[in-house]
Amino acid sequence: AQTVTQSQPEMSVQEAETVTLSCTYDTSESDYYLFWYKQPPSRQMILVIRQEAYKQQNATENRFSVNFQKAAKSFSLKISDSQLGDAAMYFCAYRRWVIYNQGGKLIFGQGTELSVKP
Amino acid sequence: DADVTQTPRNRITKTGKRIMLECSQTKGHDRMYWYRQDPGLGLRLIYYSFDVKDINKGEISDGYSVSRQAQAKFSLSLESAIPNQTALYFCATSDFFPQTHNEQFFGPGTRLTVL
Repeated sequence: AQTVTQSQPEMSVQEAETVTLSCTYDTSESDYYLFWYKQPPSRQMILVIRQEAYKQQNATENRFSVNFQKAAKSFSLKISDSQLGDAAMYFCAYRRWVIYNQGGKLIFGQGTELSVKP
Repeated sequence: DADVTQTPRNRITKTGKRIMLECSQTKGHDRMYWYRQDPGLGLRLIYYSFDVKDINKGEISDGYSVSRQAQAKFSLSLESAIPNQTALYFCATSDFFPQTHNEQFFGPGTRLTVL
């Protein structure tokens, strides 16, 4: 069974600085997706970034980028130029490569609460 | 208007009561999911459905049941609520097209408290 681990329950960053959130996962599959979700105080789950395992290039979305190390089964999120609005719970998630008749269920890590100091 | 809606947004109930959480979506997706969020545990899958005739148990289905009334509606029931079912519940939807990476879209969540 696949598992996802986030070992940092809480992180803090100064506004405008850079922070990295860690995530490791375990799977025997070679094709899969990895995600980072943001959950602000509003509770809404917001997709931040997606990485396909077959892609060697790390995904980037504006100030958010990942460091995907497939052999090490590591998937960290880097937030550059942190803003007050980045304060939230961040979840790392895994999903197997979906074929039409298979499920697309997500497996989540425990979450990392990020605070941003002005 | 929100694409995925959940009712109620908040609910307080008593041990032993039956309660239903409802999810509706306007995205036209076939796949729907129910997750539960607990502090320190992240989100865990309760049930999922590929279409109206297909229901599957997830990681933590004991104590829960679901009904897929239509493509757009997926309800979660607690037949006899207990305090350890106090949690934040999310509904999510996705299509099955590889081109969209089967991205899941989440509802706003239902905060359930069982006293």
